[in-house]
Amino acid sequence: GENVEQHPSTLSVQEGDSAVIKCTYSDSASNYFPWYKQELGKRPQLIIDIRSNVGEKKDQRIAVTLNKTAKHFSLHITETQPEDSAVYFCTRYNFNKFYFGSGTKLNVKP
Amino acid sequence: GAVVSQHPSWVICKSGTSVKIECRSLDFQATTMFWYRQFPKQSLMLMATSNEGSKATYEQGVEKDKFLINHASLTLSTLTVTSAHPEDSSFYICSASSWGTSTDTQYFGPGTRLTVL
Repeated sequence: GENVEQHPSTLSVQEGDSAVIKCTYSDSASNYFPWYKQELGKRPQLIIDIRSNVGEKKDQRIAVTLNKTAKHFSLHITETQPEDSAVYFCTRYNFNKFYFGSGTKLNVKP
Repeated sequence: GAVVSQHPSWVICKSGTSVKIECRSLDFQATTMFWYRQFPKQSLMLMATSNEGSKATYEQGVEKDKFLINHASLTLSTLTVTSAHPEDSSFYICSASSWGTSTDTQYFGPGTRLTVL
């Protein structure tokens, strides 16, 4: 189907710890997987993305992994900071449409 | 980076009135614009995909006669909520894809918060 399953819905970590958010999908034709961070009342901001021909991508404290065979991808944030607190959405792209996961509210406690 | 603006940022209207929301790409030409609706504490739900010069493609369950979309130029798309009712109150966000670069990258507008009394 079209849905992207995202877990967990909420995640609370201590500052400095790592956070992992996981998503699964069923449409094997999806070829692009961006992640967005949304602060309350603001627009979603692209934080990292990965294409289907790559298994892993890293940008400083943020990394994304993709297992296309298993149809799941994950966001990893290391050394979390209070400013990382926000709602994170995974998305998949196919046929000129983006499909969003249900979101994960990340709370980083100082 | 690419900039997308929306106007107005918020609007309060009476039930039964129509509201128009504008989405503009300021420094690039957008071949495709997307309209999303986001209810509190929920995800973004795609309402329709708008291509310049052609009719919008609506997602299942979205009434095209209620949510009128016009994409008259490569930098402007409008969403008109006709005969708005309280259940239409939501955060409406547009995004635009950039021609000439990676067309699968979307840039979001800041959103419009609609409250229908």
